[in-house]
Amino acid sequence: SQQGEEDPQALSIQEGENATMNCSYKTSINNLQWYRQNSGRGLVHLILIRSNEREKHSGRLRVTLDTSKKSSSLLITASRAADTASYFCATPLTTGGTSYGKLTFGQGTILTVHP
Amino acid sequence: EAQVTQNPRYLITVTGKKLTVTCSQNMNHEYMSWYRQDPGLGLRQIYYSMNVEVTDKGDVPEGYKVSRKEKRNFPLILESPSPNQTSLYFCASSFGGRHLFYEQYFGPGTRLTVT
Repeated sequence: SQQGEEDPQALSIQEGENATMNCSYKTSINNLQWYRQNSGRGLVHLILIRSNEREKHSGRLRVTLDTSKKSSSLLITASRAADTASYFCATPLTTGGTSYGKLTFGQGTILTVHP
Repeated sequence: EAQVTQNPRYLITVTGKKLTVTCSQNMNHEYMSWYRQDPGLGLRQIYYSMNVEVTDKGDVPEGYKVSRKEKRNFPLILESPSPNQTSLYFCASSFGGRHLFYEQYFGPGTRLTVT
């Protein structure tokens, strides 16, 4: 399996419910990033969490990072139909705290929020 | 407006006919990168550039070339396109740094079909 794998692959919920997506990675990181993509469009950065942070919030988004388990989760609270999109985690390849430019994206979670 | 632009947005070409997809950013970013997105495979990094005249291979560089002669431009060159290069291509840029990796700004994408 590759660096940065999301789980589940697809998630279908009703408006108002919370959506949780998970990301696992293999190598050491200095940060982990979450992105959103509306169908066929460019990715939009949502949130970046550094390796020394355990939790971060941005509006209705909450990201956690567990470096001991090499995993992260993205929680979208009170979801809306407009949140329907694909969500990706991305991890830079890091060695000794230095990033060498390689950024690996997972395959993404497709979130569908029904009105 | 801060943005990453790509041209063309759509391209249909024939096997073996050289083509260039341009990418330009107006944010004075050091780092630029190319990705391809295929169904079920997520985003895969093709090439990246840490700064002018500094480029390196990503995970799927075969069949592609890049150059970084100016900070703002990072063209992707397909010298002899083949049908397996049919894909959705994204250019991205960010501030760069060896000790930290920053959020990526993505272009709108180029949908390439090679027949």
